[in-house]
Amino acid sequence: GAGVSQSPRYKVAKRGQDVALRCDPISGHVSLFWYQQALGQGPEFLTYFQNEAQLDKSGLPSDRFFAERPEGSVSTLKIQRTQQEDSAVYLCASSSGDSYGYTFGSGTRLTVV
Amino acid sequence: LAKTTQPISMDSYEGQEVNITCSHNNIATNDYITWYQQFPSQGPRFIIQGYKTKVTNEVASLFIPADRKSSTLSLPRVSLSDTAVYYCLVGVINDYKLSFGAGTTVTVRA
Repeated sequence: GAGVSQSPRYKVAKRGQDVALRCDPISGHVSLFWYQQALGQGPEFLTYFQNEAQLDKSGLPSDRFFAERPEGSVSTLKIQRTQQEDSAVYLCASSSGDSYGYTFGSGTRLTVV
Repeated sequence: LAKTTQPISMDSYEGQEVNITCSHNNIATNDYITWYQQFPSQGPRFIIQGYKTKVTNEVASLFIPADRKSSTLSLPRVSLSDTAVYYCLVGVINDYKLSFGAGTTVTVRA
């Protein structure tokens, strides 16, 4: 597609509920990234994929967070047993690997109540 | 990644030039300087990138002095639609672990 698409745009989850956030990167982009942005803060790195391989997951806050990209295109970020501190905007970005500028999606705003 | 320091906020009026200076005293030889723009409810958008001297594109100019310990993003003749958060980042080309910091909130008033 023309840009990075994320769904849903907004998600309200009850504490303890599992959620799944989807990212459709730009077609053909090899690299895919997930970032978390708390209110009033800059985005913070969560994890990085090159094709289907998850090369770095050092930014995932806890083992409740899990990301996958099984076919090297669409990616899903799953959060199990959500907590209030998980409330944030989750941003996905993709890159063709030939430039420093990544293309970000509009994000999914997760609110845990 | 080199730590960056930039102002928390800046106010301006339509038609003025806005200059945002970012300090990065510990920039490494292989690091580039990149600026992103973020509007409310959107993801960051790449604006400009440079290594030294001056870079200009249709959106902005980036001035980098010889010692590279700081850089200045210049937005010419801003409009209301330039109200956004601007982030200064330093790092190697294709570094996937971007460090955004808190950014500079630029507010343009009529």
